[in-house]
Amino acid sequence: SAVISQKPSRDICQRGTSLTIQCQVDSQVTMMFWYRQQPGQSLTLIATANQGSEATYESGFVIDKFPISRPNLTFSTLTVSNMSPEDSSIYLCSVLRASGNTIYFGEGSWLTVV
Amino acid sequence: ELKVEQNPLFLSMQEGKNYTIYCNYSTTSDRLYWYRQDPGKSLESLFVLLSNGAVKQEGRLMASLDTKARLSTLHITAAVHDLSATYFCAVDSPGGGGSEKLVFGKGTKLTVNP
Repeated sequence: SAVISQKPSRDICQRGTSLTIQCQVDSQVTMMFWYRQQPGQSLTLIATANQGSEATYESGFVIDKFPISRPNLTFSTLTVSNMSPEDSSIYLCSVLRASGNTIYFGEGSWLTVV
Repeated sequence: ELKVEQNPLFLSMQEGKNYTIYCNYSTTSDRLYWYRQDPGKSLESLFVLLSNGAVKQEGRLMASLDTKARLSTLHITAAVHDLSATYFCAVDSPGGGGSEKLVFGKGTKLTVNP
């Protein structure tokens, strides 16, 4: 399995501020993704983090709101910008190893916007 | 657009009983995943099913895939309280060769009662 660390694990944020979530993987991976899980809901893909180029966003998600970086094959960040209470969610990064078929998820970052 | 439907969404069962969770999806896909999520936790990978007729078992859980019917099942045998969790199926969205972008079902919240 992959060891995927996310920081912060939890945070309470003020409305209108921005927060950057980090995702660190223990080895190089080909694909990294960011998902959102709103309270009591399922997971929705935000974007694919591409190494060395701009992220690929899914419908309903835009770069200005969720800027993503992926400077190398083991690390990515997701920023949630100008937060509102509707952004209160769990944000999870996930990875697919080059040699495996399973997609693993990080521990998640629980954000509450007040 | 790929849609994934799980049923039931809520399942309350007694210890020792058997039950099946169903996952239907709307378009052809290369892979299907089952995950478990405990309250306040991230997703734990249970199974990845790669081909028609695939069957995998781990303990009291058995997953199967029928790609022609676009149906996967997660069968629970002789349930125990420790199996109480939310179970998600997720399907690899169409992209050829496994795009690794997952579309999730809404999840099945399983409660096993003594």
